Amino acid sequence: DTAVSQTPKYLVTQMGNDKSIKCEQNLGHDTMYWYKQDSKKFLKIMFSYNNKELIINETVPNRFSPKSPDKAHLNLHINSLELGDSAVYFCASSHRGVQETQYFGPGTRLLVL
Amino acid sequence: AQSVTQLGSHVSVSEGALVLLRCNYSSSVPPYLFWYVQYPNQGLQLLLKYTSAATLVKGINGFEAEFKKSETSFHLTKPSAHMSDAAEYFCAVSQGGSEKLVFGKGTKLTVNP
Repeated sequence: DTAVSQTPKYLVTQMGNDKSIKCEQNLGHDTMYWYKQDSKKFLKIMFSYNNKELIINETVPNRFSPKSPDKAHLNLHINSLELGDSAVYFCASSHRGVQETQYFGPGTRLLVL
Repeated sequence: AQSVTQLGSHVSVSEGALVLLRCNYSSSVPPYLFWYVQYPNQGLQLLLKYTSAATLVKGINGFEAEFKKSETSFHLTKPSAHMSDAAEYFCAVSQGGSEKLVFGKGTKLTVNP
């Protein structure tokens, strides 16, 4: 059973397009996250939701819009894709609490041409 | 604001040798500290975490880390490296008030036969 799943695994698209990445967790967690890993492997949080409510919103362009239809899902929509958006995007989930372990999905490799 | 510094972006050891990956943190309040491992083309997996209980923390796959407040360090060790340990290792910190994980830049471990 996959704990945190993401679709698609790979995404190749042209500049200016709009794309979405989906994330689902079956761990019963109430908090979900999006992280971006750049080409140098640096990981940085983008967003966090708790019970469908946005709790962390780092300095991310408005072109990125997360949506949480329910506690088990957190999708990421990206408008007007730019070359610099090329990265690996990881979804994660956890119980609420700073000491809680975050469980990561396998990642979505986005390449913007 | 909290931060993490991982000394050495690349560490190379021989199979059977000691593994030592260094992590120093900066935090104004007692932190929670994590070590994650990322195998090629995969998501992150928790190795171990410090949550203010025992200062010596044992994790999976024979890894352990010691929290040293006086040195603001949380170095990861394993007595005997195995080929399967080759991966990217990330140290991360979170602290009260935010579930946000702040990651170090990662250390790539190579294990030579």
